[in-house]
Order: sequence, then C-alpha cells, then structure tokens
Amino acid sequence: KQEVTQIPAALSVPEGENLVLNCSFTDSAIYNLQWFRQDPGKGLTSLLLIQSSQREQTSGRLNASLDKSSGRSTLYIAASQPGDSATYLCAFSGGSYIPTFGRGTSLIVHP
Amino acid sequence: DAGVIQSPRHEVTEMGQEVTLRCKPISGHNSLFWYRQTMMRGLELLIYFNNNVPIDDSGMPEDRFSAKMPNASFSTLKIQPSEPRDSAVYFCASSLSSYEQYFGPGTRLTVT
Repeated sequence: KQEVTQIPAALSVPEGENLVLNCSFTDSAIYNLQWFRQDPGKGLTSLLLIQSSQREQTSGRLNASLDKSSGRSTLYIAASQPGDSATYLCAFSGGSYIPTFGRGTSLIVHP
Repeated sequence: DAGVIQSPRHEVTEMGQEVTLRCKPISGHNSLFWYRQTMMRGLELLIYFNNNVPIDDSGMPEDRFSAKMPNASFSTLKIQPSEPRDSAVYFCASSLSSYEQYFGPGTRLTVT
C-alpha cells in the first residue's frame, strides 16, 4: 500500500524565513504529486501540481520539486509571511490515479 | 466557475438516522472523489468515480456507506444508519481525467 509521509509534522518560524516542507512516497510509479493548503475549518486549496515528467513547478513565492529516484517532493516557501500559516498537505497519485494524502505539516509563521 | 459545491455545510443528526451528503462537481470534470477527514486518521479516500462509474470503493468503511453518481453533475454519499464514529468532515473533490483536484468546502457531520 502506498504510504506518504510529511516531515516535519509541525513548524513554527518567524516571519521572513525561507521554509522547506518535505513529502516522501514509497511507490516509484508516480502519475502526479499535488500540494495543497488547508486553513482551519476550511477545505483544501490546490497550490501546485507536478506531473511525473516534470521536475518542479513555481507559483509566486512557492516552488515544488519532484525527485522520483528518491521518492521525495519538497515545497519551498520563500520569505514566509503570517498569512502563510496553515496546514500543507501533499497527495501522491500513482498508476491507479487514486490519490494518497500525507498527514500534513502544520505551519505557524509569527510576526 | 463556482467550484465544487457541497451541501449541507453542517449536519447534526442522531445515531441511527440516515444522512445524505451532496456534491456538484466542476462542470466538465469527469473524476469525482469523496474523502473523510478526522484528527485521528487524517484525510481518507472513500470512493472514486470516473465518468460516473465507481472505480475504487475500497475506502468505504462498511455497508452502511453508499455513494452514487447518477450523472456528471451530481453525486451523493449516504450513511444509513449513522453512528457517532461517523462524525467527521466529508469532502468532495473533482478533476479532469485525474489531473489537478479541486475540493469543495466540506460537510461537517456530527452524529450524537
């Protein structure tokens, strides 16, 4: 069974720091990997999607990379802001196209 | 587009009652997913439809849960009878050919 692990589980940083969130998966047959943000009591908002043929995707201060050989994706957040505080989840989809989610990284950025 | 629409947003019911959750996917999307989220277990996939056909329902907890997708613009998740352990937030998501998923706002279910 596919397993998706996110490290760290929680992170608290001062405003302005550059952050790296990690997502690892066990299945090498990847279709795509998607990063989401979830605010408390809300649904999931899609941030970035990386297809298996891609190495990275960028949107504003966010950059997601994919390393299939090591079974890892990283989400890089530049110059963090208090508004970035949320839980960040990654979802792996393999050959079956069925997504498996990690437990998320809870991020707090304090002023 | 209005995004994925779910109703109701909140549901409080008593144990043993039937609960029906509804979802309208984004127009043009052909894949639909039902998830359940709890603090204990995180986000779990319950069932996945492609072109209105259930492809994988291995995540459905037990026979009390059933899901239908009668057409491309509507799906229901039914729990009968409901139990307190079913209390969770239920999300519906849709995508085009299992590409980028878009989530609805969720239904918070409380079973007393």
